[in-house]
Amino acid sequence: TQLLEQSPQFLSIQEGENLTVYCNSSSVFSSLQWYRQEPGEGPVLLVTVVTGGEVKKLKRLTFQFGDARKDSSLHITAAQPGDTGLYLCAGEGNSGGSNYKLTFGKGTLLTVNP
Amino acid sequence: NAGVMQNPRHLVRRRGQEARLRCSPMKGHSHVYWYRQLPEEGLKFMVYLQKENIIDESGMPKERFSAEFPKEGPSILRIQQVVRGDSAAYFCASSPVGSSSNYGYTFGSGTRLTVV
Repeated sequence: TQLLEQSPQFLSIQEGENLTVYCNSSSVFSSLQWYRQEPGEGPVLLVTVVTGGEVKKLKRLTFQFGDARKDSSLHITAAQPGDTGLYLCAGEGNSGGSNYKLTFGKGTLLTVNP
Repeated sequence: NAGVMQNPRHLVRRRGQEARLRCSPMKGHSHVYWYRQLPEEGLKFMVYLQKENIIDESGMPKERFSAEFPKEGPSILRIQQVVRGDSAAYFCASSPVGSSSNYGYTFGSGTRLTVV
């Protein structure tokens, strides 16, 4: 069974601060995705990383995929209240042709206070 | 260009009743996935369907749960004889191909099922 551990579980910061959240696993994934979910809504895809060591930037968000494709991090610079939400990482299966199946972490609930 | 449409958004059922959850994928997407999100838990894969075919239902309880994606119309997740433990948010996602590596998944807003 593939598991993804996200940390921290909760994070409350002031506007303008920087933060990093982590997504770790003992399993290798063919790709890893980050989603953001707001209350009462479905997850919205932020980024997909595929190659070990890959770094992607999306405005103030920087995503990194570990060299061994087992872990990932999300760094937010100068956080804003609009960044508030549940950040989910999800790994795409890497065994037996089940590369459509996503394994989700439980998420990091980020609150950015004005 | 509508996204993934799920209805109803909220559904209340008494124990023993049937729940039917509907999902219309994005235009051009022929692959549909159902996930369940329980309180304090991450999203869990339930079933993967293509038109008229169930590809993988390994995450779906073998009893009381069924899913279909007919040639015409939305995908349906059906829960018979609901119990309180079925209370959860059920999300549908779609993709143009059977892998999320290149496109990721587009999720609907979910159906929140409450069993009373």
